[in-house]
Order: sequence, then structure tokens, then C-alpha cells
Amino acid sequence: EAQVTQNPRYLITVTGKKLTVTCSQNMNHEYMSWYRQDPGLGLRQIYYSMNVEVTDKGDVPEGYKVSRKEKRNFPLILESPSPNQTSLYFCASGLINQPQHFGDGTRLSIL
Amino acid sequence: GNSVTQMEGPVTLSEEAFLTINCTYTATGYPSLFWYVQYPGEGLQLLLKATKADDKGSNKGFEATYRKETTSFHLEKGSVQVSDSAVYFCALTERGGSNYKLTFGKGTLLTVNP
Repeated sequence: EAQVTQNPRYLITVTGKKLTVTCSQNMNHEYMSWYRQDPGLGLRQIYYSMNVEVTDKGDVPEGYKVSRKEKRNFPLILESPSPNQTSLYFCASGLINQPQHFGDGTRLSIL
Repeated sequence: GNSVTQMEGPVTLSEEAFLTINCTYTATGYPSLFWYVQYPGEGLQLLLKATKADDKGSNKGFEATYRKETTSFHLEKGSVQVSDSAVYFCALTERGGSNYKLTFGKGTLLTVNP
């Protein structure tokens, strides 16, 4: 089954404790991206990647890192999480010029 | 930059009612337009798309027509069901450099009552 898998689905943690949200897709998509969803703001792009070893900032990259060492994986790293990063996060992937497929989301709470 | 404006919710309808969710956009080039749906506790699913002016996207009884003259992409369904209750997002993508970023509206919560 074609899918984008995120883990964990839910996480409650504390300020400053490094965390990683994994994202994996099994569709051989070149393009992958991370979004955060906040009430009243909709979804905003954090980072994106056009292919292996090619990543770039989206609209709200501060406080986040990503890597793309393999085509299927695109982890989101919060080196020193802060409460303003409490949000619902979505990973997406797609072929160039085709609609993107989304994971089921990761709800992060930073205390 | 690009932007998407969709009608504020929530929208509450009775089963079999007619649905319209308005969406207008601002873009510098020729965007592709999408409607995504988010059911409770799930990720976003593509509902329909249109890639050029006058295209009509349709799926599961929903329709939307790409209107370049009015920069609109309104979502319609003739007879909604309880199972259509979800959040609906209008979005566009326009290749800027090497990014196929989706620009989203803020979402419209639809509740359909039996």
C-alpha cells in the first residue's frame, strides 16, 4: 500500500530535549516536505527536499533541521524544542508536478 | 507571494443539503489548484485538482472549476452526507525555483447532521 508513515503520532516532551520525527514513503517520490498546522494559521511549510542530499528552507524553518540521506526518509529534527513548536506536523511526498501525499500527522506538545 | 483565502467556518448542514465552500487565490503565475480533505485524526487527502484554467476537478460527488478570470476554485457538492464531515482545505502550488510548496487556506470545518 502506497503511504507516507510518520512516527511518533503523539509526543509530549520538555523544553530543550532533542527529538526526531521520522517520515518514510514507499512510493519512490523525489519531493518531500514538512508542514506544521496551527489553529487560525493553516499549514505552513518548514523544509523541503527535491531529492537525496538536496534540502532547503520553507516559510518557517527556524528551530528545525532536516536531512535526506535516502530517498525514502526525511526526518525532522528539533535540536532544542521550545513551547512555540507545539503543533501538529505533517510530512508529504510527491512526484514532481504531481499532487502530494500526506502522512497522518504527529502531534507534538513541548512543555 | 501566493495566498489562498477560503470561507471561514464552521459550516453546519443537514444531510442532502447543497454545499459550497468559497476559495479565491492570488498567484503570480499559473498555479495548480487543489482541494484537500482532513477527516478527524487523519492526514490530508487529495479530494480533487485542476491544473489549468476552466478545468473541472471532480471526485466523490464534489466538484470545483478553475476560474482564472475570478481567481476562484469554489468547492461544491449537490447532496452532502454525514460522512462528508471534515475539514476542507483549498491549496495551490506554483513552482518557484525548485519548491513545489503547497500554499493552503486556513481550512473550513464542515459538519453534516443526520
